This record gives sequence, C-alpha cells and structure tokens, in this order.
Amino acid sequence: QSALTQPASVSGSPGQSITISCTGTSSDVGGYDYVSWYQHHPGKAPRLMIYDVSHRPSGVSNRFSGSRSGSTASLTISGLQAEDEADYYCSSYTSSSTLVFGGGTKLAVL
Amino acid sequence: EVQLVASGGGLVQPGGSLRLTCAASGFTFTTYTMTWVRQAPGKGLEWVSAISASGGKTFYADSVKGRFTISRDNSKNTVFLQMNSLSAEDTAVYYCAKDFSTYTYGRGWDQWGQGILVTVSS
Repeated sequence: QSALTQPASVSGSPGQSITISCTGTSSDVGGYDYVSWYQHHPGKAPRLMIYDVSHRPSGVSNRFSGSRSGSTASLTISGLQAEDEADYYCSSYTSSSTLVFGGGTKLAVL
Repeated sequence: EVQLVASGGGLVQPGGSLRLTCAASGFTFTTYTMTWVRQAPGKGLEWVSAISASGGKTFYADSVKGRFTISRDNSKNTVFLQMNSLSAEDTAVYYCAKDFSTYTYGRGWDQWGQGILVTVSS
C-alpha cells in the first residue's frame, strides 16, 4: 500500500491556474475510476472536491476539475483565489480492496 | 444536518488499547460505508479502516491489520475503532468519515467528523 505520489508543493498567483498531479499504478489510479480529491485546511475536516476521477459534488466550485491519463490523475484549479490555499490530497481505490492517499500537496496562493 | 462526532481519544501508553466511537446523525446510517482516516503530526492523511453498511465486510490498512478492529452498531448509528497494541506510530488525529453514496465503498467521503487526537506515549 505505497502512497500515491504528489508534488510536495505548488504555487500560483490569484487568477492563475495550477495543476496537482497524483501518480499511482495500474493497481490503483490507473485501474479504477474511484479517484477522489480533498481540500484540507489545517485544523479543519477535509472536504471532498472531486470524486470518480472528474465529478464535482454539489456545492464545489466549477473552478475545480479532475482528469486522468494512464496512472496519473490531476486536479486543476482555475482562477486561483486566496481561500484555495490549503493542502490537497488524492485518494484511490486499490486492487487489494483498500484505499490509499497521496502524500499531499501544499498549495500557496502568492 | 449531517453530524459525525468522535470520542474516546486521549493519551495511552505504548502497548495499550483505546476504543474510538463515532456517533452519526442526520442521514440514513444503515445505508453507508463508514471509514476511519488518520493524520499523524506533520504528516499526510492515511486511510485506516472501513466497514460496509451492514457491517458484514471490513477492510484494513496493512499498518493496522491484526491490531485494530472496526465495528458498527446500526441500532445506535455508531461506528467504533478498537485499537490494540498501540505504538508511537499510531499517534494521530483520527477522523471518521461517511461515503458520499449509498452502498458503495471507496468512491469518496463527503462528510467528516471533527477529528480526535490519540497520543501514544509513556
């Protein structure tokens, strides 16, 4: 159950777009459509931003989008806003019937 | 309003045991898989365990298999995490979370508890 690979940090200016990658294998990200993304502000509960690779729950801004190519999933945030500054985690279902998170990416809005 | 309220955390000595409880309300508890996720200090999120809506299927991360037991009481809308043989590596904030769709497992968690701190130290 190795963690999925995410960049430790990304940054962008207000109004810009950024993309966070999440790399796994054919036994997780590449093999199943159950990839989800979470926004986590320190001290608060994580928030579901994307499920099933590219679907947004109701109430999540359409500035957030998800995609996948092979065994790498991506979260793109367009029109960056100050409140987007947080930690972001991907998660995937695995062939072992378990779940695995990425190591997390700290987003800085400069 | 959906609420997940965790309790039972605290300080425990290495080798000791602790039982976490998550009380759920505001949704039809018996139709959702429930999950525990933890975050060690300064670290990322780690999936710990999950239990199906009926309680008939349980799933564990390798790091806790054989030491932790997840269970639920559907008559009381409560999910438990019994943690035995605790070590310093189990020190973390533990979150209970609800799958966002009924009778599925692994698609994502749309509601999370407030998190409860477990500290394993002598």
